Amino acid sequence: AQSVTQPDIHITVSEGASLELRCNYSYGATPYLFWYVQSPGQGLQLLLKYFSGDTLVQGIKGFEAEFKRSQSSFNLRKPSVHWSDAAEYFCAVGGTLDDKIIFGKGTRLHILP
Amino acid sequence: GAGVSQSPSNKVTEKGKDVELRCDPISGHTALYWYRQSLGQGLEFLIYFQGNSAPDKSGLPSDRFSAERTGGSVSTLTIQRTQQEDSAVYLCASSGLDRSAQHFGDGTRLSIL
Repeated sequence: AQSVTQPDIHITVSEGASLELRCNYSYGATPYLFWYVQSPGQGLQLLLKYFSGDTLVQGIKGFEAEFKRSQSSFNLRKPSVHWSDAAEYFCAVGGTLDDKIIFGKGTRLHILP
Repeated sequence: GAGVSQSPSNKVTEKGKDVELRCDPISGHTALYWYRQSLGQGLEFLIYFQGNSAPDKSGLPSDRFSAERTGGSVSTLTIQRTQQEDSAVYLCASSGLDRSAQHFGDGTRLSIL
């Protein structure tokens, strides 16, 4: 069965520091992978997605993610975080463009000044 | 409007009452999704519409939940005989030809007293 695991419920980093949010998935075929961000009281915004091709994907707001098939991972990274990056981040997996998307439970990112 | 619109933004009701939640997708988007987000949980898929039909209703938690979509546009999620465990944020998303790029509304926060 499809599943997504985000092992870190909360992460705290200092402004200007680098960031890596972990995501592991379980899927029987080649997955479609996504990262979304949710600011308080708002819906989700797509940061980036992976379908095929280059395993390093660039997204909006300076984020990138790397698909590693051997590790079933799709970790999100940013070289230098800004206070405005404080939010909840969701990793998600889908099978086809018609398939429902399964979301992880999210990682809440806190930024120290 | 430019984005997905959900109403009401907040709903407080007594246990046992019926509620209707509305989603107005982005104009021209053929796919529409409903999710439920409970505190500390990820997004739980409820139902997916393609046009007016729902090929995947597998996420509806009980027969108290139903949804419809008319004219390939507005969708209504109805919860009958509400229970306290129904308290959550209900998110709607829509997508166009690129079904992976789901655009989310800001959600309806439902509180059952």
